[in-house]
Formats: sequence, C-alpha cells, structure tokens
Amino acid sequence: GIQVEQSPPDLILQEGANSTLRCNFSDSVNNLQWFHQNPWGQLINLFYIPSGTKQNGRLSATTVATERYSLLYISSSQTTDSGVYFCAVEQPGGYQKVTFGTGTKLQVIP
Amino acid sequence: EAQVTQNPRYLITVTGKKLTVTCSQNMNHEYMSWYRQDPGLGLRQIYYSMNVEVTDKGDVPEGYKVSRKEKRNFPLILESPSPNQTSLYFCASSSLTGTSGNSYEQYFGPGTRLTVT
Repeated sequence: GIQVEQSPPDLILQEGANSTLRCNFSDSVNNLQWFHQNPWGQLINLFYIPSGTKQNGRLSATTVATERYSLLYISSSQTTDSGVYFCAVEQPGGYQKVTFGTGTKLQVIP
Repeated sequence: EAQVTQNPRYLITVTGKKLTVTCSQNMNHEYMSWYRQDPGLGLRQIYYSMNVEVTDKGDVPEGYKVSRKEKRNFPLILESPSPNQTSLYFCASSSLTGTSGNSYEQYFGPGTRLTVT
C-alpha cells in the first residue's frame, strides 16, 4: 500500500516563530487533506488540497502532486497551534481508501 | 449545525462482551468511515462505506463489523472485543461529489475512547 511519511515527528517552537511541516507519499494520490488534532483529541480540518496552494489566515498549504509531497506552513505560531498535525491521502483507484501519516507533534511555548 | 456524532464517547468493557459504537451524520454524505488511533501508529482505517449497503475493508478490519442500512448511520460492531482493541475510535464522513467527481473532504466525529479489560 501507499506509504505516507511526515517530518519532523516532533517540533518545539517559541511563540511567534514560523514552521514548515512536510508530508511525503510514495504513490500518486487522488486527494490530500491536512488535519490538526488538538490536545483534547478533536480532529479539525485544515485544508483539502490535492494540488496547488491554499491559505487560511496564518496557515497555508502547498501540494506538488507530481513530486509526491505536501507542505503545511504555520506563521506567527500561537500556543493554540499546539497538537498533532496529520496529512491523509486517498489511495489511487477511487475507492476512498485513506491512509494517514504518523503525524507531527507541535508544541508552541510562550 | 453540520456534524458527525458518536456514542458513547467513553466506554470501558470486558473481553468478549459485544458492543456497538454508533455514528451519525447530518450532511447527507455518501461516504462514511471508521478509524482507530493508537500511540505511534497514527490513524488507521478499519472500514469504509461508499453508500447504503456498500461497505469495504480498510487496513485493519479484523475483529470489527459494520453495517450501512441508512445513509446517515454507520455503526461499528465489536462482536467479541479483546484488549488489543483498546483504542480511540473516530468516525468520519464526506461527500463523494466535487469538481473532479471523486473529491472529498472528511469531517470527523469527536471520538470514542474504548477500553477493553
């Protein structure tokens, strides 16, 4: 099956710093989505981004499908950004089989 | 309010006692899915459903059953739970329509924390 790797696995930032999270996938994908899991376990949609670039406030994401990676940018980080960030891909074939990466755990300290 | 609901949110049970975790969505989504989340393993797909009466196995289906008799509901059934099924479970739904015909954006329920002793 498809392999999805995220880096770095752990990240500690000072409040106000910027960061880039990476998601690599081993095969072509139909769809890609970024999620934030907050410290209470809730999974929150960030971006649905099979290709191209999107921005939402301090967050933006870019997917280069031909090179099999996606990047999530967090600017001017805040303590509320802490949690785990996952990318998830839909495997080829259109059968809606989804594979998640193992996540990047982010801690933003004041 | 558009949402995915799961019940119960927390459950402690004993080995072998059948249980059902319910999942319901109010967005008229065709696609629904169950995941389990374990430390160090991320989220893994258990089963998914493309529509009523259409279900298929994900990556870790052993020990689980599902049914999709109504579009809005997708219960997860553990016929004989075992301690290795202790986990955090998420239900998700998405539409199967979009500009490309197969696009999706998944919406997740709040999670069910299951402990099997």
